[in-house]
Amino acid sequence: ETGVTQSPTHLIKTRGQQVTLRCSSQSGHNTVSWYQQALGQGPQFIFQYYREEENGRGNFPPRFSGLQFPNYSSELNVNALELDDSALYLCASKNRGLSDEQYFGPGTRLTVT
Amino acid sequence: GENVEQHPSTLSVQEGDSAVIKCTYSDSASNYFPWYKQELGKRPQLIIDIRSNVGEKKDQRIAVTLNKTAKHFSLHITETQPEDSAVYFCAAILGPGAGSYQLTFGKGTKLSVIP
Repeated sequence: ETGVTQSPTHLIKTRGQQVTLRCSSQSGHNTVSWYQQALGQGPQFIFQYYREEENGRGNFPPRFSGLQFPNYSSELNVNALELDDSALYLCASKNRGLSDEQYFGPGTRLTVT
Repeated sequence: GENVEQHPSTLSVQEGDSAVIKCTYSDSASNYFPWYKQELGKRPQLIIDIRSNVGEKKDQRIAVTLNKTAKHFSLHITETQPEDSAVYFCAAILGPGAGSYQLTFGKGTKLSVIP
């Protein structure tokens, strides 16, 4: 198992609501990426944070936003939830500058009804 | 941006046989190619990776090959065991020149090893 943790494990929200997901990166890792994995699909890149700044963004609308904190932990915020936002949200951490490997957390299963 | 195609989408093999999963990528600037194994309800787990300056890498029963000219890479699992049953994802990443370490994934291959 990696040292990447996520909370909560599962979440059920109603369309139009807002949600915040949390990720603690592996010790020594300074870069956090977020991915959305729909059922039966590969993970899709949402964005990446390095030194508390967004450092790359995939094809997701602005209602997907994030933060990285000084301890390298991170949050993913999604506003105005839509049914299609139902997915497994994964964060992955790496040590930028040392290696290419990215290690995933267990994910948060979000269901939007 | 990068696009990764993965084949086959499902693969069934008899225990002890070999399994091969193939991926192609579109951006010649990609320089790192990891493979992840994801069991049902669990996180993707990095099982092997290869950089663009290497043609082949092996770790026990698992090997990965890379053909930069053709822009394709493959995962080889020998002597398959029932615990190898899972969904396997290939991925590609652009180098630091792209600004971020964004993984682009294939759609996955569901491998079933039949005892």
